[in-house]
Amino acid sequence: QQQVKQSPQSLIVQKGGIPIINCAYENTAFDYFPWYQQFPGKGPALLIAIRPDVSEKKEGRFTISFNKSAKQFSLHIMDSQPGDSATYFCAANQAFGNEKLTFGTGTRLTIIP
Amino acid sequence: DAGVIQSPRHEVTEMGQEVTLRCKPISGHNSLFWYRQTMMRGLELLIYFNNNVPIDDSGMPEDRFSAKMPNASFSTLKIQPSEPRDSAVYFCASRALAGGGNEQFFGPGTRLTVL
Repeated sequence: QQQVKQSPQSLIVQKGGIPIINCAYENTAFDYFPWYQQFPGKGPALLIAIRPDVSEKKEGRFTISFNKSAKQFSLHIMDSQPGDSATYFCAANQAFGNEKLTFGTGTRLTIIP
Repeated sequence: DAGVIQSPRHEVTEMGQEVTLRCKPISGHNSLFWYRQTMMRGLELLIYFNNNVPIDDSGMPEDRFSAKMPNASFSTLKIQPSEPRDSAVYFCASRALAGGGNEQFFGPGTRLTVL
């Protein structure tokens, strides 16, 4: 019940396209859903996060869509650029009382110029 | 702020040797996490501390692994004896328990190769 399932495993998109990465969770106690971005040779870094009281959050070109009833959330990257090429991880936890983040398996995104 | 500092950045050792990985969390952060990343298993939480106290070590693979946090500014992850299957990138992350939101700040990682 602690799993977060992420898809696809890898994704190749043309520059300017909109890659979409999907995650699904089972634990209904989860109430914090971040996305982390990792470049080769670096540690993951927080990109954007959402709480379940809203269905969408935008920060720049990055948008999280959240569907509480389906227990799914997704990351959309608008006007994707080659510099967005990285591995993206979704994650989830309970914002209070449990600091453990459960990570998805990651999506390797490549943006072709 | 220097961010989370890990050392060494790369470690190559032979099977059976003891390996010690080091982490300095961000000053003021009182929650510290050790993760392991491999292609096969992704990002796995090994153990985490709050206020220097181990809270959950259920991810520690076996007794060969141990972690300590003697003070708020230093933690170690030790593997003794090391085995080839321990080869991975080990990340340390820290977080402020109060007032800092949920964000975990990751270090650059230590790439461990056990021959």
